Amino acid sequence: AQSVTQLDSQVPVFEEAPVELRCNYSSSVSVYLFWYVQYPNQGLQLLLKYLSGSTLVKGINGFEAEFNKSQTSFHLRKPSVHISDTAEYFCAVSAFEGAQKLVFGQGTRLTINP
Amino acid sequence: ETGVTQSPTHLIKTRGQQVTLRCSSQSGHNTVSWYQQALGQGPQFIFQYYREEENGRGNFPPRFSGLQFPNYSSELNVNALELDDSALYLCASSSPTGSSYNEQFFGPGTRLTVL
Repeated sequence: AQSVTQLDSQVPVFEEAPVELRCNYSSSVSVYLFWYVQYPNQGLQLLLKYLSGSTLVKGINGFEAEFNKSQTSFHLRKPSVHISDTAEYFCAVSAFEGAQKLVFGQGTRLTINP
Repeated sequence: ETGVTQSPTHLIKTRGQQVTLRCSSQSGHNTVSWYQQALGQGPQFIFQYYREEENGRGNFPPRFSGLQFPNYSSELNVNALELDDSALYLCASSSPTGSSYNEQFFGPGTRLTVL
């Protein structure tokens, strides 16, 4: 079984400041790792994913994340945020085998202040 | 290319009633997954359908059931609604690519309120 813990339920930052959203996971099998974004009243949009290879992955909208196997973490970062980044962010994992269900964390609400 | 669509957008039911939610998968996708997202929570996997057969199920009671049709659209049925069933229900479609990873594309969701 897999589980995902997002360490911050809310993160307020000022516009143009850097941000890091933290995610730790637990799994007895190998997993793929994802970050999704959810804007108000919308579904989920994939920001980025780690499947294999380089541990630093780049996604859309200037976001990147680093996979750390020893710390079982997959933190999301952006060097300079914009008002439009205000949204809910979800970290998720999916096992290599089986139905490829996504197991999500509780979410982090990112609020950008002008 | 049409994305994943869901209907209705929202609906209100009372306890004990039954509800059917619908999902049209993205063109070319033959796999549909359903998730429940309670307010303030992350989505939870309900089940997945692949070529009209259930292909995995999460920790949900049998009153949550589903169907997938030959055109790969899908329905989620919930019987004997409970207050805790109030949530956003998300549908995601994907298509096997021959690798072990198949990206899931999400619809906008159906907001269900149970009174």
